Amino acid sequence: AQSVSQHNHHVILSEAASLELGCNYSYGGTVNLFWYVQYPGQHLQLLLKYFSGDPLVKGIKGFEAEFIKSKFSFNLRKPSVQWSDTAEYFCAVNGIGTDKLIFGTGTRLQVFP
Amino acid sequence: DAGVIQSPRHEVTEMGQEVTLRCKPISGHDYLFWYRQTMMRGLELLIYFNNNVPIDDSGMPEDRFSAKMPNASFSTLKIQPSEPRDSAVYFCASSFFQGHTGELFFGEGSRLTVL
Repeated sequence: AQSVSQHNHHVILSEAASLELGCNYSYGGTVNLFWYVQYPGQHLQLLLKYFSGDPLVKGIKGFEAEFIKSKFSFNLRKPSVQWSDTAEYFCAVNGIGTDKLIFGTGTRLQVFP
Repeated sequence: DAGVIQSPRHEVTEMGQEVTLRCKPISGHDYLFWYRQTMMRGLELLIYFNNNVPIDDSGMPEDRFSAKMPNASFSTLKIQPSEPRDSAVYFCASSFFQGHTGELFFGEGSRLTVL
């Protein structure tokens, strides 16, 4: 079975600080990996995704994530956060051969000016 | 495209009442998913359909929950009878899997409050 762990439940940063959100997954095969973002009062939308190839994936709004297969990790990073990045961030895994997308419990990011 | 459309956006009901949540997926998408979001458990997959057929309902919490997809453009999630612990935001999402890309398109959710 697939599972995802996000260890940071709530992160508080000041603007311009660097961000790294942890994500670890469990699955016995090849995976597709995703980060979704949910801005306050809005629905989830895709931030970035990894299918294959370069393990460093760049997404929208300056976000990037690195897939480290040996660590089963897909951490999200941004060098300098903005107030508008305040949102909830969800890591998700789709095990190849399954139709499911399993989400982590989410990390709530608050950025203060 | 209008995206995934869910209704109602907000529902407040009393314990014991029947609740029906509705979803219209993006046209052409052949997968539809129902998720529940709570503070404690995050996003939980309840059930998903492929070509209108339920594939996996192992996430449905109890027999009080049921979901149907009578055609490619409509799905319902029903709770009968509702309980306060069912209070959550229920999201519908649709997808067209191409090589199992797994990218989902979410609706804006239905916020359910059971008193």
